[in-house]
Amino acid sequence: AQSVAQPEDQVNVAEGNPLTVKCTYSVSGNPYLFWYVQYPNRGLQFLLKYITGDNLVKGSYGFEAEFNKSQTSFHLKKPSALVSDSALYFCAVYSGSARQLTFGSGTQLTVLP
Amino acid sequence: SQTIHQWPATLVQPVGSPLSLECTVEGTSNPNLYWYRQAAGRGLQLLFYSVGIGQISSEVPQNLSASRPQDRQFILSSKKLLLSDSGFYLCAWSVQSRDTQYFGPGTRLTVL
Repeated sequence: AQSVAQPEDQVNVAEGNPLTVKCTYSVSGNPYLFWYVQYPNRGLQFLLKYITGDNLVKGSYGFEAEFNKSQTSFHLKKPSALVSDSALYFCAVYSGSARQLTFGSGTQLTVLP
Repeated sequence: SQTIHQWPATLVQPVGSPLSLECTVEGTSNPNLYWYRQAAGRGLQLLFYSVGIGQISSEVPQNLSASRPQDRQFILSSKKLLLSDSGFYLCAWSVQSRDTQYFGPGTRLTVL
């Protein structure tokens, strides 16, 4: 079975500071990893994904994520947070054995002005 | 480009009433289609997915059903709503199961 853990329900960061939203996964086989963002009462928006290749993936709105196979992690990062980055962030994993996308429980990011 | 529509955007229904939520995708053919429910603004629960017309897989036994009468149309239904059916319903599509899923704007359902 595959699973995703987002260990922090809430992350607070000051505007202009770097932000990190954590994600760890468990799969059998090679993972496909995704990050999504959700604003209140909206659908999920795709940010970035890792399939293979360079461990550092760059995505939309200045976000990036680092795939670490030994730590089975895929943390989302941004060098300088904006108040408008405040939202709910979801990590997700797909593997061939499960054939479906499994989402984490979400992390609420609040960027304080 | 591809777009995904859901309607209605919000719905308030009494317990025991029927339900029909619709999702349509434009700009792609033979997509994989998904219905999710999000309760209390958090985790996503996959309800149904479809890889083709008339092909529906159910992930969670419940009061709901899904149908795919056309290639790019996915419908979520219930004959009798329960209070526990309240939530935010999201439709999504992908090219294949391992590909990025793209989500619609969602339907907020409140059952009273």
